[in-house]
Amino acid sequence: EDKVVQSPLSLVVHEGDTVTLNCSYEVTNFRSLLWYKQEKKAPTFLFMLTSSGIEKKSGRLSSILDKKELFSILNITATQTGDSAVYLCAVVLDSNYQLIWGAGTKLIIKP
Amino acid sequence: AAGVIQSPRHLIKEKRETATLKCYPIPRHDTVYWYQQGPGQDPQFLISFYEKMQSDKGSIPDRFSAQQFSDYHSELNMSSLELGDSALYFCASRTLAGGSYNEQFFGPGTRLTVL
Repeated sequence: EDKVVQSPLSLVVHEGDTVTLNCSYEVTNFRSLLWYKQEKKAPTFLFMLTSSGIEKKSGRLSSILDKKELFSILNITATQTGDSAVYLCAVVLDSNYQLIWGAGTKLIIKP
Repeated sequence: AAGVIQSPRHLIKEKRETATLKCYPIPRHDTVYWYQQGPGQDPQFLISFYEKMQSDKGSIPDRFSAQQFSDYHSELNMSSLELGDSALYFCASRTLAGGSYNEQFFGPGTRLTVL
């Protein structure tokens, strides 16, 4: 059974801290891995990762994929209260472009 | 463990036809969310239900309607289908019980193609 597991389930840190969110997966036909940020209603796209070892970076956020160990991490440095959200990881299957979603990590940044 | 079930997984319809998508939440989950994700786009929130009552409404077209039934499953009814309705439709469920954060679980989606 295809599955995506995110950890931790929730995380509370102080502004300025650095956080690392984890996403591990077991799927039959991996195509790519997506990270989303969900603040209110719908997830918004952050990164798409297809190749191992190549870091994607956007401002204070970065992400990397390890296709050998089947996981990805999302790093946020110098966190701000606006980073508070649920971070979702999803794997796209090669066979039919179906998305398998993780349950998300709820990140709370305290001032 | 039981996950969110969506049916059908794939659906092909003609323009102006109707479609019904079904979502079966995880047992004991009281809240259901519907999302539409077009090709290369972020998921768009459509509508949500809590305890069989509509709790929030997003960018759901008037041609669409949805409801949550007594067994907590939900159906999204889409009429007068247009080509632009072709998308992945996700359902997600969670329980709001307990007051603390309870994660939202997404279903595998229904891929609707309108020809």
